Amino acid sequence: DVKVTQSSRYLVKRTGEKVFLECVQDMDHENMFWYRQDPGLGLRLIYFSYDVKMKEKGDIPEGYSVSREKKERFSLILESASTNQTSMYLCASMGGGTDTQYFGPGTRLTVL
Amino acid sequence: RKEVEQDPGPFNVPEGATVAFNCTYSNSASQSFFWYRQDCRKEPKLLMSVYSSGNEDGRFTAQLNRASQYISLLIRDSKLSDSATYLCVVNKRGGADGLTFGKGTHLIIQP
Repeated sequence: DVKVTQSSRYLVKRTGEKVFLECVQDMDHENMFWYRQDPGLGLRLIYFSYDVKMKEKGDIPEGYSVSREKKERFSLILESASTNQTSMYLCASMGGGTDTQYFGPGTRLTVL
Repeated sequence: RKEVEQDPGPFNVPEGATVAFNCTYSNSASQSFFWYRQDCRKEPKLLMSVYSSGNEDGRFTAQLNRASQYISLLIRDSKLSDSATYLCVVNKRGGADGLTFGKGTHLIIQP
């Protein structure tokens, strides 16, 4: 079974803080993704990566950056957190020649 | 037209009934299709892929209509545990960057 883990289930940060969200997958998948999910807006893609050190912008990259130094780990960085970044953040991985995505349990981030 | 469109519901359905909902997509070149299920405050999980010939998995049947550009999900003999949000996912061009999620249809099975 594919396992995708995220570093925190719940996180509370203050405006202006730098925030790191980490995601690890154990299936040697090439592709990894970061989404945010908000009521009424569904899942929106922030960034994805198709290989180590490679990254591509998704639909809403503003205010975020990512890092993929190792194949199994994909980090999302909020350089200066703002209240409008309060959301559920979901990481996913995909690989093995299929386009099935496996999601982590999510991190519910609150920015005060 | 939105890329992937679903009726948000909620669909309130009595236990044991049959329920069906559709998802329309705008890109006629879309290559693969999926239904995911998301329970409240949990992550989405793959329910089933949708093949051109249609496919069935127990009480669940998924169908693809390429001519009209929609996919459907039918749930027979619904259970309380089927209550969830069902997300339609379309890969419009293959590869990692082609996946597009619908906003989901909320289903509530009532005793």
